[in-house]
Amino acid sequence: DAGVIQSPRHEVTEMGQEVTLRCKPISGHDYLFWYRQTMMRGLELLIYFNNNVPIDDSGMPEDRFSAKMPNASFSTLKIQPSEPRDSAVYFCASRRFAGETQYFGPGTRLLVL
Amino acid sequence: AQSVAQPEDQVNVAEGNPLTVKCTYSVSGNPYLFWYVQYPNRGLQFLLKYITGDNLVKGSYGFEAEFNKSQTSFHLKKPSALVSDSALYFCAVRSGAGSYQLTFGKGTKLSVIP
Repeated sequence: DAGVIQSPRHEVTEMGQEVTLRCKPISGHDYLFWYRQTMMRGLELLIYFNNNVPIDDSGMPEDRFSAKMPNASFSTLKIQPSEPRDSAVYFCASRRFAGETQYFGPGTRLLVL
Repeated sequence: AQSVAQPEDQVNVAEGNPLTVKCTYSVSGNPYLFWYVQYPNRGLQFLLKYITGDNLVKGSYGFEAEFNKSQTSFHLKKPSALVSDSALYFCAVRSGAGSYQLTFGKGTKLSVIP
């Protein structure tokens, strides 16, 4: 199994630009999670999906952030417009419905100038 | 609400010595407990978990963790540290009673000194 796949691995953009992060979960996994990691705040859950439906988006910092999961094998996290304080590493993770363990992707390192 | 505390930001240990990374938790109901490791510029890798059963759980790379219900702890241990164990370690918890959200600790940086 290829594991959770994220793209791009690195993204540098200017303030005000739209940023789209992509995730392909492990095949057969019903849950997908988006996390953000910073030095100051550690690992934060932003949103998670079950069977492509958003279940809890209370961790999404503000309306500039949005996430979609159009099908079982693809999800996006969009920031529009981006700001320097959005600079972080964004992780996607997935797990099976009947399983307990979440598996993480390699992350996207975002730098907003 | 569920929470995890990792009281040490950093742990230093000499190569070959035993290591312990501490974790305490708070959760309603039976806890599901996890340890993950993160190497520089990498994602989190699953090490081990406790769901039920034996309080001593063995995981990847020679690591083990002991679940202590009375102390609400789940400390990570290894009998003999390797330099390659140097990384950031995260403890996580979720309630077995329906919540699918993991709550992570802040992480502990382990440095194994040659």
